[in-house]
Amino acid sequence: QAVVTQEPSLTVSPGGTVTLTCGSSTGAVTSGHHPYWFQQKPGQAPKTLIYDTNNKHSWTPARFSGSLLGGKAALTLSGAQPEDEAEYYCLVSYSGVGVVFGGGTKLTVL
Amino acid sequence: EMQLVESGGGLVQPGGSLRLSCATSGLKFSTCWMNWIRQAPGKGLEWVTNINYDGSQEYYVDSVKGRFTISRDNAESSFYLEMNNLRVEDTAVYYCAGSGYCSSWGQGTLVTVSS
Repeated sequence: QAVVTQEPSLTVSPGGTVTLTCGSSTGAVTSGHHPYWFQQKPGQAPKTLIYDTNNKHSWTPARFSGSLLGGKAALTLSGAQPEDEAEYYCLVSYSGVGVVFGGGTKLTVL
Repeated sequence: EMQLVESGGGLVQPGGSLRLSCATSGLKFSTCWMNWIRQAPGKGLEWVTNINYDGSQEYYVDSVKGRFTISRDNAESSFYLEMNNLRVEDTAVYYCAGSGYCSSWGQGTLVTVSS
């Protein structure tokens, strides 16, 4: 089964910009893998921020954006807020096989 | 507003069975792929299974193949997870969630497998 990798932890200053990445053991992540990004705060259910590489929901703050960067899926947070401190998970779909989550990135806003 | 509500979790002995339900509203259910995802205590998210629009395609993580079955009822805007031969390692909060523009999540239901 494929392995999806994320940075275990990242720190960003309030108002700063940070990029989280999501790689696949099978090779480059492409739009065909329909990457997603989720935010989970302690004690809460996850929330979908980005689907299908770069699509936002109505509840997704404008400061979050999704893209493909250097063979990986990427989530960029521009203008970090204290409330953005959370665990972030990516997801990659493998056609005809199923779906794999990354291990998560703990984002600290400090 | 999209809403998903899980039910059916609880305590079960190893080898036992449970059926989880996910009732949805506010989404075009019959156009959405739907998923079950679990999170063991203190661990990350693990995708378990998904089902396509009309139930003709299903995919499972290897660890549950042959034991879990996903199904859906488009008339009721609901889908289900039948879990058989449960193991201690299946203990987790189980979330239902949609895909794509339907990708909202429920609040989760706890399944505890213990003797």
